[in-house]
Amino acid sequence: DAGVIQSPRHEVTEMGQEVTLRCKPISGHNSLFWYRQTMMRGLELLIYFNNNVPIDDSGMPEDRFSAKMPNASFSTLKIQPSEPRDSAVYFCASRDYYNEQFFGPGTRLTVL
Amino acid sequence: DQQVKQNSPSLSVQEGRISILNCDYTNSMFDYFLWYKKYPAEGPTFLISISSIKDKNEDGRFTVFLNKSAKHLSLHIVPSQPGDSAVYFCAASESTGNQFYFGTGTSLTVIP
Repeated sequence: DAGVIQSPRHEVTEMGQEVTLRCKPISGHNSLFWYRQTMMRGLELLIYFNNNVPIDDSGMPEDRFSAKMPNASFSTLKIQPSEPRDSAVYFCASRDYYNEQFFGPGTRLTVL
Repeated sequence: DQQVKQNSPSLSVQEGRISILNCDYTNSMFDYFLWYKKYPAEGPTFLISISSIKDKNEDGRFTVFLNKSAKHLSLHIVPSQPGDSAVYFCAASESTGNQFYFGTGTSLTVIP
């Protein structure tokens, strides 16, 4: 298995632009998680899905953030409009019910 | 509020010595605990876990200890090797839940 796939690996954009991060979970995993890594809060859960349904989005910082999971093999995290304080590394992770979470390599976002 | 805390942002240890990484949690409902290891430019990878029915779990050079009364767990690495240099995240969950709560991480440097 290729593991969790994230794209792009790096994204540099200007303030006010829309940013879309993409994730392909491991086949057969029924839960998907979006995290943001910051120095202050470590790995901060933004939202997670079970069987493509959003379960908890209380970690989404603002209405500028939205996430979708249209099918079991694809999810997006969108920031619109982006701001410099959104600069961070964003991770996607997936798991089946019995095992730990498997993380993707992350997307490093820089908003200028 | 952080439910899982790693109060030491960094730790340096000589090669061959023991590394001890600490983690505290506040939620008494947590009954499953994990450690993840993260190298630069990679996603976190699962290292070792422990259920609350145990107080120790060992896997090669890595041992996790759980003190439920103190709401404290620790990761021991013996002997430490330069390749162990990474950021270590502690995580906790309720076995009936799907969400992992992560600490802020401890950066371990093993000096050759």
